[in-house]
Amino acid sequence: QQQVKQSPQSLIVQKGGISIINCAYENTAFDYFPWYQQFPGKGPALLIAIRPDVSEKKEGRFTISFNKSAKQFSLHIMDSQPGDSATYFCAAKEESGGSNYKLTFGKGTLLTVNP
Amino acid sequence: ETGVTQTPRHLVMGMTNKKSLKCEQHLGHNAMYWYKQSAKKPLELMFVYSLEERVENNSVPSRFSPECPNSSHLFLHLHTLQPEDSALYLCASSQEAGGRLEQFFGPGTRLTVL
Repeated sequence: QQQVKQSPQSLIVQKGGISIINCAYENTAFDYFPWYQQFPGKGPALLIAIRPDVSEKKEGRFTISFNKSAKQFSLHIMDSQPGDSATYFCAAKEESGGSNYKLTFGKGTLLTVNP
Repeated sequence: ETGVTQTPRHLVMGMTNKKSLKCEQHLGHNAMYWYKQSAKKPLELMFVYSLEERVENNSVPSRFSPECPNSSHLFLHLHTLQPEDSALYLCASSQEAGGRLEQFFGPGTRLTVL
C-alpha cells in the first residue's frame, strides 16, 4: 500500500516557467509534509516543509500548497531555472506519533528545466 | 569533512561476497538511519539507531546487518545478497530520532550485486 502518491513521474519545463508537482496521502495522522531535492550523485536535501496548520508556505521561488480536506499537497517552483533540474520527493510523517522518525516518501519526480 | 559521508561510493559484489558500507556523520547528531533507494520506488527506511540503540528494523532480510558502534558511525554489513538488492543505499542522521528534526542525508553507496 503506497501511502504517499506523487505525480507526475517526470516533468519538462521551459526556463522561466512554473513547475508543479503533486502529492496525495492516505494517513490522516500525518502532520508534517517535507519536500526533498536530489541532484545526481547526491543524497536528498530538505527543500521546504509544511505543517497542516497553514495552507501555504513560501520560501523564495518555492511554494507548498496544502489542502487538508483533500489530503493533497503540492510544490510550485516559480521562474524555474536549469539549476532546478533534479529529482523531487514529497514525504509525510506523524510528528506526534510513536514512530515519529519515520518519513514516508513518494516515488519522486524528475524535473528537467530547458534553457 | 562535513555533513554525512559514505564509503565506498560504488560497490560491485557477487552474491557470495561479504562487504560493509560505512557512514560517518560530522554533525554531532544522536540518530542515524539506513535507507534503500531503488529506481521508481519510494525511499525505504531500513534501520534507525538512536544513541547507538536500534529503534527500528523495518522487516529487512537478515542478509543486511547494521552496526552502530557510536553516535558518529554506522555500518551496514552485507552477505549473500541477491541481484534485487542492487540499489542506492543512503545514510542519514538527525539531532534526535523523531520530532521536528530534519534528517540530513549522505551521498549514498551505489551497490550492484552480480
